[in-house]
Amino acid sequence: DTAVSQTPKYLVTQMGNDKSIKCEQNLGHDTMYWYKQDSKKFLKIMFSYNNKELIINETVPNRFSPKSPDKAHLNLHINSLELGDSAVYFCASSQGHPGLAGGPYFGPGTRLTVT
Amino acid sequence: AQSVTQLDSQVPVFEEAPVELRCNYSSSVSVYLFWYVQYPNQGLQLLLKYLSGSTLVKGINGFEAEFNKSQTSFHLRKPSVHISDTAEYFCAVTLSGNTPLVFGKGTRLSVIA
Repeated sequence: DTAVSQTPKYLVTQMGNDKSIKCEQNLGHDTMYWYKQDSKKFLKIMFSYNNKELIINETVPNRFSPKSPDKAHLNLHINSLELGDSAVYFCASSQGHPGLAGGPYFGPGTRLTVT
Repeated sequence: AQSVTQLDSQVPVFEEAPVELRCNYSSSVSVYLFWYVQYPNQGLQLLLKYLSGSTLVKGINGFEAEFNKSQTSFHLRKPSVHISDTAEYFCAVTLSGNTPLVFGKGTRLSVIA
């Protein structure tokens, strides 16, 4: 059983396109995240949702729009893709704040390549 | 805002030798500290965490870390490494409330046979 799953694993697309990445967790957690890992392996949080409510929104271009239809899902939609969006995107989840119960637990990642 | 410094970007070590990966954080308030491992082309796996209590934390795969408040450090150690420990290791810190988990830039551990 995969705890945090993402689809697709690889995504190759052209500049200007719109794409979505889906994330699901079966851990029963109430908090989900999107992280971006750049080519130098640096990890930075993009968004955090708690019980479907947005609680962290870092300085991310508004071309990125997260959507949480329920506690177990957090999708990421990206409009008008740019070359600089090429990265690995990780979904993660935790039960509350990481300082309370530990975590978060990460999915396998989606490698996005924009050409 | 909190920040994390991983002092070594790469650490080569021979198999069965001990290793220490260094992590320092900057915060004047209570923190929660984590170490993650990322194997090639995989996601991040939680190795261990310090939330409270004993400053020596034991994790998976024989790793341990010690929280040192006076030195604001959370170094990761393993007494004897294996080839399979070759991976990228990330230290991370968060505060309470809605503060996000902030990661260091990672340390590439290469175990040499």
